Amino acid sequence: EPEVTQTPSHQVTQMGQEVILRCVPISNHLYFYWYRQILGQKVEFLVSFYNNEISEKSEIFDDQFSVERPDGSNFTLKIRSTKLEDSAMYFCASSGPEKFTNTGELFFGEGSRLTVL
Amino acid sequence: GQSLEQPSEVTAVEGAIVQINCTYQTSGFYGLSWYQQHDGGAPTFLSYNALDGLEETGRFSSFLSRSDSYGYLLLQELQMKDSASYFCAVRSILTGGGNKLTFGTGTQLKVEL
Repeated sequence: EPEVTQTPSHQVTQMGQEVILRCVPISNHLYFYWYRQILGQKVEFLVSFYNNEISEKSEIFDDQFSVERPDGSNFTLKIRSTKLEDSAMYFCASSGPEKFTNTGELFFGEGSRLTVL
Repeated sequence: GQSLEQPSEVTAVEGAIVQINCTYQTSGFYGLSWYQQHDGGAPTFLSYNALDGLEETGRFSSFLSRSDSYGYLLLQELQMKDSASYFCAVRSILTGGGNKLTFGTGTQLKVEL
């Protein structure tokens, strides 16, 4: 069964460093998302991406964050200068291929745990 | 803004039936989804309601009342493996297509022998 894959599974970094989290969405999906979950809290929407551009972003997704689809398969989230409060699990998700799906189902990866020291 | 409220924790015994409620305040509502998450792993899709009423998928059922901004997930014949966090999520449609999910606060379900 197709799945969303994410790397790394866990990354530890120093405050102020740049981090890139990588995702390979399901191959025929068209819509890509990043969510994050601080330990013990709810899953929060960060950004959605379609047709090589951001379609919506949350208040959390400030200028320190960026997303990119550098080739036909990868989808990356970059945090330019990490802060302590960026420590969280980051989930990539994809949906599609229909423009308007009827189930509201997103397919999530296993997540990348980011620890900022 | 959008907000979804769920009980923080529910405990039940194996074989029992449990109901997890979700109330929401939101704009641009297209439906209510339910996701299961084990120990911080990937959220996995369980069920979805776009219209009022009950949707049944095996041991899991989900209900929606749009007029009451309320839904619930019903888990029957509970098994130990059902111990997990359960999140309701409001679906909204993004400009240009695709779905945005706004998640609730999550309910930790503990199934005991």
